[in-house]
Amino acid sequence: DSGVTQTPKHLITATGQRVTLRCSPRSGDLSVYWYQQSLDQGLQFLIQYYNGEERAKGNILERFSAQQFPDLHSELNLSSLELGDSALYFCASSVGYAGDEQFFGPGTRLTVL
Amino acid sequence: AQTVTQSQPEMSVQEAETVTLSCTYDTSESDYYLFWYKQPPSRQMILVIRQEAYKQQNATENRFSVNFQKAAKSFSLKISDSQLGDAAMYFCAYKRGNSGGSNYKLTFGKGTLLTVNP
Repeated sequence: DSGVTQTPKHLITATGQRVTLRCSPRSGDLSVYWYQQSLDQGLQFLIQYYNGEERAKGNILERFSAQQFPDLHSELNLSSLELGDSALYFCASSVGYAGDEQFFGPGTRLTVL
Repeated sequence: AQTVTQSQPEMSVQEAETVTLSCTYDTSESDYYLFWYKQPPSRQMILVIRQEAYKQQNATENRFSVNFQKAAKSFSLKISDSQLGDAAMYFCAYKRGNSGGSNYKLTFGKGTLLTVNP
């Protein structure tokens, strides 16, 4: 158990819908990273927050957004969902902003029908 | 942009034997970190081992060790005394160092699926 929690574990929804994925980092970690794992794209970095502020952006679609709250938990919002958004979404956390060691949560499996 | 290449989509090993997984990377930076992550069927991503580029000594964690060849940009993982529980997808990953810049994301290879035969 990495200490990073993600909810829900599984999510099944329809095209066009909007979902929110939640992540709680390890105790003491200030950085949260979101990654997407899909069969065709592999593991890709989406976005990073550090202590409530956006730190870095990767291949995140405009339909996706994220935020980190004062209690340091983070939410990833996915809207206007398409079939291709079906993937495993991971949250990872690290102590500092440089992410020397990133510890991953168990992931949320999103299926868009 | 940094890239990570794992040229072996699948590998197999007999229980108690040794196996080496290959990884090469491309970067113009001199300060960086390399990692191996394990992803078993549960899909959890587990950090196996970490190597700082400025350290010449190869990292070791119990039965797991790396062969880090900085000039060749090669970072292989050796698993000794393989166990059934080692069966998983293994990902090599790169992260820039802490000497400036803003994006400390992990860049992953496509993975190597390791099967351990009893």
